[in-house]
Amino acid sequence: QSVLTQPPSVSGAPGQRVTISCTGSSSNIGAGYDVHWYQQLPGTAPKLLIYGNSNRPSGVPDRFSGSKSGTSASLAITGLQAEDEADYYCQSYDSSLSGNWVFGGGTKLTVL
Amino acid sequence: EVQLVESGGGLVKPGGSLRLSCAASGFTFSSYSMNWVRQAPGKGLEWVSSISSSSSYIYYADSVKGRFTISRDNAKNSLYLQMNSLRAEDTAVYYCARDRFMVQGALSWFDPWGQGTLVTVSS
Repeated sequence: QSVLTQPPSVSGAPGQRVTISCTGSSSNIGAGYDVHWYQQLPGTAPKLLIYGNSNRPSGVPDRFSGSKSGTSASLAITGLQAEDEADYYCQSYDSSLSGNWVFGGGTKLTVL
Repeated sequence: EVQLVESGGGLVKPGGSLRLSCAASGFTFSSYSMNWVRQAPGKGLEWVSSISSSSSYIYYADSVKGRFTISRDNAKNSLYLQMNSLRAEDTAVYYCARDRFMVQGALSWFDPWGQGTLVTVSS
């Protein structure tokens, strides 16, 4: 059971917009800690997609955007492309006794 | 080019030990905290351990505390994870990942990641 909750799967047709939610609690996202997002293409290592809630590293297309509000965060992907099919993970910091840096369970994006 | 290359994975029996290594290149290794993150087969990501640039601050996930030891050698640009008393549930791909900061903290994120090394704990 992950500390941050993501939907197991989302899907969309090419060109469409999809969003992936990441729900936390008062000891992580709700406490004001930043949320970061990673993309893991099949058979590869995770890659940083969004840092500090809404910032894109250089090289990441502006089709990817992040936001945060209250105890949740979201990753939005517009103009879906076949190569966006991947697993997406959110990550934050948790101030509870049980852990430090925490991940969501991951969301599998399928491009129809 | 920033690069992280893990090694040392393999098959080990329950209760056994293994030492993972991560060789860093393309950046000033001694200026960054480093992390180990693992991914069990077909599962999500789990942060395992973190070490600050000068090894002053070290943290572990509860699931590995007392069994795993993280260390680094800045002269060799290398990160290590000594894993003892291994269990079946430790079976995973282990990634090393660079932290954003010299001293890891609440704002930390991980970039880049190595390609990972597979650890299988089975009799």
